[in-house]
Amino acid sequence: DTGVSQNPRHKITKRGQNVTFRCDPISEHNRLYWYRQTLGQGPEFLTYFQNEAQLEKSRLLSDRFSAERPKGSFSTLEIQRTEQGDSAMYLCASSDPSGRQGPRWDTQYFGPGTRLTVL
Amino acid sequence: QKEVEQNSGPLSVPEGAIASLNCTYSDRGSQSFFWYRQYSGKSPELIMSIYSNGDKEDGRFTAQLNKASQYVSLLIRDSQPSDSATYLCAERGSGGSYIPTFGRGTSLIVHP
Repeated sequence: DTGVSQNPRHKITKRGQNVTFRCDPISEHNRLYWYRQTLGQGPEFLTYFQNEAQLEKSRLLSDRFSAERPKGSFSTLEIQRTEQGDSAMYLCASSDPSGRQGPRWDTQYFGPGTRLTVL
Repeated sequence: QKEVEQNSGPLSVPEGAIASLNCTYSDRGSQSFFWYRQYSGKSPELIMSIYSNGDKEDGRFTAQLNKASQYVSLLIRDSQPSDSATYLCAERGSGGSYIPTFGRGTSLIVHP
């Protein structure tokens, strides 16, 4: 299967602990996105990479959140000092608009998500 | 702030009927529009994308875009129980941004 993969699929942690999630995009996709989704809401953008460069971060992204994509392949999302309000599904998506320019042609494919529960 | 509005539903239709899902958006600069299907506990799956005014058909699905009225719709013909899911509308492209704005989704229930 060459789709987007995410690990772990589920994470339960205690408040105040740090957690790290991993996303492996579709091979050769140069863009990678992180979203957060809570029950009854659509995905909320967190941050986005083009290759290894982090190009945009949501203003809603607390400084407890950090993301990396060191070699332009997989990405990690770390949440420090977790809070109960961080409980959500964390989604990763990747895209590759090769041959075309602009956001109009950028189709994002989502991974299965990591469900975080903070107790 | 850009907004995408969807009725949360649930929208209930009988099997074999046409399901009509609607979405409005606030930003006139939006260029691209997407419909995703999301089963409970799963991640969103892209169904349709549409960029130009008018209709776009793909199998049982038809997306409709009216930029003047700032709405997007998705029609599902011959609805099946397996179509029961939440349908997310998203827009992107205003100001050259790659970042989509999602609606909260409409829950569709297709009953036998």
